[in-house]
Amino acid sequence: GQQLNQSPQSMFIQEGEDVSMNCTSSSIFNTWLWYKQDPGEGPVLLIALYKAGELTSNGRLTAQFGITRKDSFLNISASIPSDVGIYFCAGQLAGSARQLTFGSGTQLTVLP
Amino acid sequence: ETGVTQSPTHLIKTRGQQVTLRCSSQSGHNTVSWYQQALGQGPQFIFQYYREEENGRGNFPPRFSGLQFPNYSSELNVNALELDDSALYLCASSLGGTTDTQYFGPGTRLTVL
Repeated sequence: GQQLNQSPQSMFIQEGEDVSMNCTSSSIFNTWLWYKQDPGEGPVLLIALYKAGELTSNGRLTAQFGITRKDSFLNISASIPSDVGIYFCAGQLAGSARQLTFGSGTQLTVLP
Repeated sequence: ETGVTQSPTHLIKTRGQQVTLRCSSQSGHNTVSWYQQALGQGPQFIFQYYREEENGRGNFPPRFSGLQFPNYSSELNVNALELDDSALYLCASSLGGTTDTQYFGPGTRLTVL
């Protein structure tokens, strides 16, 4: 089945620094989504991308849908302590069941 | 607008038992998807329901079954529980269609002893 390679697996950064993480796939996806998950909670949608090349921002977050439709990245600028959590990319294929295929997650720790 | 809700929050069962998990979709959403998330991993797709019909299934055995009701709420049933079924079970609702953005509930933590 499809697999998403998400990197890095974990990051330790200083408060105020910028962060970048990405996902790559061997399959072409029609939609890329980025979620953040806090411990014991469900994933919360951060950004949804629907077109190849699309660049979308949500506050300090910016994500892009790769031109090849096989990759996406998420940038967080000027990190703050509440950015701590696990970030997941998810890709969605066209079809009758628009199931999400998730990456393995990036654990972000923000140091004061 | 009401978000996705799930019940119960936590559940402890023993091997061989059966369990039913419940999900209420976000207002206006007609599609519900269920995912299993093992500790330290990303969620894995179990199945999806659209207007009360199963609309796709992941690589899970038949002892994982589901239902969707006319109000678009949903149940996930797991029979003959195994230790490896211990996980966070997530429900996501969406509008369906070409841009099927899925919104997740808080999950049910199932522990099988």
